[in-house]
Amino acid sequence: GESVGLHLPTLSVQEGDNSIINCAYSNSASDYFIWYKQESGKGPQFIIDIRSNMDKRQGQRVTVLLNKTVKHLSLQIAATQPGDSAVYFCAENDPGGKLTGGGNKLTFGTGTQLKVEL
Amino acid sequence: NAGVMQNPRHLVRRRGQEARLRCSPMKGHSHVYWYRQLPEEGLKFMVYLQKENIIDESGMPKERFSAEFPKEGPSILRIQQVVRGDSAAYFCASSPNMQQGEQYFGPGTRLTVT
Repeated sequence: GESVGLHLPTLSVQEGDNSIINCAYSNSASDYFIWYKQESGKGPQFIIDIRSNMDKRQGQRVTVLLNKTVKHLSLQIAATQPGDSAVYFCAENDPGGKLTGGGNKLTFGTGTQLKVEL
Repeated sequence: NAGVMQNPRHLVRRRGQEARLRCSPMKGHSHVYWYRQLPEEGLKFMVYLQKENIIDESGMPKERFSAEFPKEGPSILRIQQVVRGDSAAYFCASSPNMQQGEQYFGPGTRLTVT
């Protein structure tokens, strides 16, 4: 049959509240993770990254947490603003590419739509 | 400091025609990646290139799709004999080297096959 687009999970938050977006990754050998923000009609924009030898990293208003035991990644956005409304993707680096002389092939999650309500 | 540039931004092709998508990486970047995104889905890796070399094409369909990154000029993703299922957004990303994992994305080319 004809395929249809998936409905993205949606997180609705009030302006000024904190947002937590979760991601489960698949490859236990992944060694590098990135969160991207994608606004409608635009390319993904880098937000923050973390390597597998860390479990937490903070940026400006954003924090990424990594739990390797359960293969879980989260993005926390403090004091969420209307401009934060977008789709957020986690991406993991496939280290297998390096073993074959390749580079950093990213595998993306399905994304979460963040909606900020005034 | 210009970011990753892609053109055209929108491309309409009839079934059976060829589509050529161009990507100019950020200045100083010699590694280029192409990804495809269907509506409401994440990006799917297609191919990774360095200047004059294809490093990893494990995500490329076996037929009709090809990519190059010549010594001079932009990287080109070429789709021959397009079909409706090729309609998608195609994104290019670049990085300065293999060790740095961060990839910077362009605005994408939205291909519509009629």
